[in-house]
Amino acid sequence: QPLLTQPPSVSAAPGQKVTISCSGSSSNIGSRYVSWYQQFPGTVPKLLIYDNDKRPSGIPDRFSASKSGTSATLDITGVQTGDEADYYCETWDGSLEVGVFGGGTKLTVL
Amino acid sequence: EVRLVESGGGLVKPGGSLRLSCVASGFTFSTHSMNWVRQAPGKGPEWVSSMTSSGSHIYHADSVKGRFTMSRDNAKSSLYLQMNSLRVEDTAVYYCAREPRGNQDLDYWGQGTLVTVSS
Repeated sequence: QPLLTQPPSVSAAPGQKVTISCSGSSSNIGSRYVSWYQQFPGTVPKLLIYDNDKRPSGIPDRFSASKSGTSATLDITGVQTGDEADYYCETWDGSLEVGVFGGGTKLTVL
Repeated sequence: EVRLVESGGGLVKPGGSLRLSCVASGFTFSTHSMNWVRQAPGKGPEWVSSMTSSGSHIYHADSVKGRFTMSRDNAKSSLYLQMNSLRVEDTAVYYCAREPRGNQDLDYWGQGTLVTVSS
C-alpha cells in the first residue's frame, strides 16, 4: 500500500484545466508540507510547487496547488502540449521518518 | 549557479558494494539538508536517504536501512552514499538533491549516476 496515492493518468484538451490529486494520511500530508515535481522523459525531476502552494521562480502561474486535510491537489490551467509529463507529489512522513513520493501521474494533452 | 555532480555508479554483482559521491558548488553546502533519491528504469522517484546540514540527523528508507549509509563532508562540499549488500532491485539512477527549507522540497538535483546490479 503506497503512502501517497495518485491517479496513474489524467488527460485534457489544450486550454482546459486539469487536476491531479495526491492522497495521504495524517502522518504525512496531514501534518507536513507537500511538494510537486514535473518530469519529462529522460530528464531530472523539476520542483514545481513547494510548501503546499508556493511556486519557485520561473514556474508559470498556470501551475497551482493546495492542500486540505490529508489530500493535496495540483492544478494546471490552460494546459499546453508542452505540459505532457509525469507529475509527482512528495512529502515527509513524520511517524515513519521517511521521505515519500507518490506513484506519479502521467498527463496526456489530447 | 548551483551544481550537484554525482559519480561512483557502475555495474556491480548482487551482494557487492559501491560508494556514490556528490560534489556541490554554487551554494553554502554546510547550511543545507541533502537527500539521495533513486529512480529505477520506468519507475517514479523513490526517496532513499536524507541528512541534516550538520549531519546530526540521518534517515534512510526501509528498503535500504542496514545496507546503505549516507554521510557528508561539509569541508569538501560533498555527499556520499555507501551502498553494501546490493540487490538487483537497487538498480536505478541515483540523484543527490538539495533541500533548501527543511520541508522535504528538493529544489536542485544532480544529473544522476546509474547503478546496475546484475550477475
